[in-house]
Amino acid sequence: DSGVTQTPKHLITATGQRVTLRCSPRSGDLSVYWYQQSLDQGLQFLIHYYNGEERAKGNILERFSAQQFPDLHSELNLSSLELGDSALYFCASSVEGQAGRNEQFFGPGTRLTVL
Amino acid sequence: AQTVTQSQPEMSVQEAETVTLSCTYDTSESDYYLFWYKQPPSRQMILVIRQEAYKQQNATENRFSVNFQKAAKSFSLKISDSQLGDAAMYFCAYHSGGGADGLTFGKGTHLIIQP
Repeated sequence: DSGVTQTPKHLITATGQRVTLRCSPRSGDLSVYWYQQSLDQGLQFLIHYYNGEERAKGNILERFSAQQFPDLHSELNLSSLELGDSALYFCASSVEGQAGRNEQFFGPGTRLTVL
Repeated sequence: AQTVTQSQPEMSVQEAETVTLSCTYDTSESDYYLFWYKQPPSRQMILVIRQEAYKQQNATENRFSVNFQKAAKSFSLKISDSQLGDAAMYFCAYHSGGGADGLTFGKGTHLIIQP
């Protein structure tokens, strides 16, 4: 158990819909990273939040957005869903904002299926 | 942009034998970090080993060790005395030392352990 929690574990929805994925980092960690793992694209970095502020964006679509709240949990919002958005979405947390210097601890992931 | 290449989609090894997984990367930076992550069937991402580019000494964690060749931009993972529990996808990952981005992952190598 990494100490990072993600809910829900599984999500099945239809094209065009909007969903919210939630991540609670380990106690004391200020950074939350979101990743997408799909068969087509592999593991891709989406976005990084540090202490409530956006720090970096990766290959995140405009239909996707995220935020980090004062209690440090984070939400990833996916809208106008397409079949290709079906993937495993991970969040990872670390103490500080540099993924190299500080180990990232991954949550168990949310499996999103878009029908 | 940095890229990480894992040229072996699948590897197979007999239990108790040694196997080496290959990884090459492309970067123009001098300060960076390299990682190997394990993803078993549970899908949990587990950090196996970490290497700091400025350290010449190869990292070792019990049965896992790396061969870091900075000039060749190569970062291979050696697993000694392979065990059934080592069966998993293995991902090589890169991070720029001072950046706020997340990790850049390779496509992964599926490791099969033959009993």
